[in-house]
Parts: sequence; C-alpha cells; structure tokens
Amino acid sequence: DVKVTQSSRYLVKRTGEKVFLECVQDMDHENMFWYRQDPGLGLRLIYFSYDVKMKEKGDIPEGYSVSREKKERFSLILESASTNQTSMYLCASRRQGISNQPQHFGDGTRLSIL
Amino acid sequence: AQKVTQAQTEISVVEKEDVTLDCVYETRDTTYYLFWYKQPPSGELVFLIRRNSFDEQNEISGRYSWNFQKSTSSFNFTITASQVVDSAVYFCALSERRTTDSWGKFQFGAGTQVVVTP
Repeated sequence: DVKVTQSSRYLVKRTGEKVFLECVQDMDHENMFWYRQDPGLGLRLIYFSYDVKMKEKGDIPEGYSVSREKKERFSLILESASTNQTSMYLCASRRQGISNQPQHFGDGTRLSIL
Repeated sequence: AQKVTQAQTEISVVEKEDVTLDCVYETRDTTYYLFWYKQPPSGELVFLIRRNSFDEQNEISGRYSWNFQKSTSSFNFTITASQVVDSAVYFCALSERRTTDSWGKFQFGAGTQVVVTP
C-alpha cells in the first residue's frame, strides 16, 4: 500500500512565523501535490511537483513556496504565516504517466495561525 | 470554470437507507478518468473507485455502486444500506489525459457531506 506521511496532524503557529509542512511518500511517485481544504471551498491546489526539483504553481500559490530536493519529500513553506492561512493542508502523491492512477493522500495537517 | 460539480452540499439519512451522490463533469478530452474519494472525520482522503471514459458499464462493489453516463456527463455514486461508518465527505474527481499524463493534476468537486444517523 502507498503511504503518504505528513509530519504533523496539528500545528499551531504565530503570525509572521516561517512554517514548514513536510510530506514524505514511500512509493517512488513522480507527482506530488499540496492542497488546502476549507469549508465550502473543497480542495484547492497550492503547488505541485512532477519530478525532483520541478515545481508548478497551482490555483492559489500566493503566500506559499515549495521545495522538492528528493523524490520522496515535498515541503510546503509559509514564508510569513498569516491568519488567513489557517486551514487543513493535504499532501498527495501519484505515479506519473498513466491517467488512471489515483492520487494518494496523507492524513492532513490542521494548521492554526494565531 | 468549474469542471466537476457536486451540487449536493450535505445529505442526511437514517441508517439502512440508500444514499446517491451526484457528480457532473465537464471536459473536452475523449480520454479521461473519474474517481470517487471518501474523507472520514480523521481527515485522510481514501480512494474508492475509478472509471475510464470508454467504459460506461455500471458496477457494484459490495455496498457501493456507480452509474456513469457519458451522454449527461454524470458519474453518480450510491451507497446501499448506509451505515454510521459511511458518514464522511465524498469527493468526485476528474483526471484528463491531456493534463494528467504530463502533470498528474486532478479536478476535484467541492464535496458532499454524508451524515448517517442510527
């Protein structure tokens, strides 16, 4: 089974802090994704990566950056956290090249910015 | 533009009732895949089923069944004889070959909250 592990289930940070959310997958997947989930808005794609060191902006990249130095790890960075970034963050990975491959998700990180 | 529409925000049923979740999608690709995911209160999205654009045969798997109709661009999902453990948010997702082969991006619907009470 695919295992996608997010470093924290719950995280509380202060406004202005630099925040790192880590995601690791164990299936050698090429594609990795960061979403945020807010009530009534569904899943919104922040950034994604289709290979090591490759990254693309999703639908809501403002205020975020990402890093993918190794294939198994995809980090989401909040450069200067703000209260409107309080949300549920979900990481996913997927094998590239075959359209029928599902995305596999981690447990999510509930981030609160005070 | 919204490519995947789940018009039902929340559905509440009593245990043992059937629940049907609606999903309407929009695509110009001839090759695509549709998925259903379940998100229980614990938070993780769990992959349930997928269907490709060339196979309109409807299937049943245990208490789950799905109805794919290309003519109406719909991919509906039914839980038969619901149980309390079915309480979750259910997401429909579209994978278009044009974008997925290169980028792996999916289009997700907004989700439908299913509440099953004893």
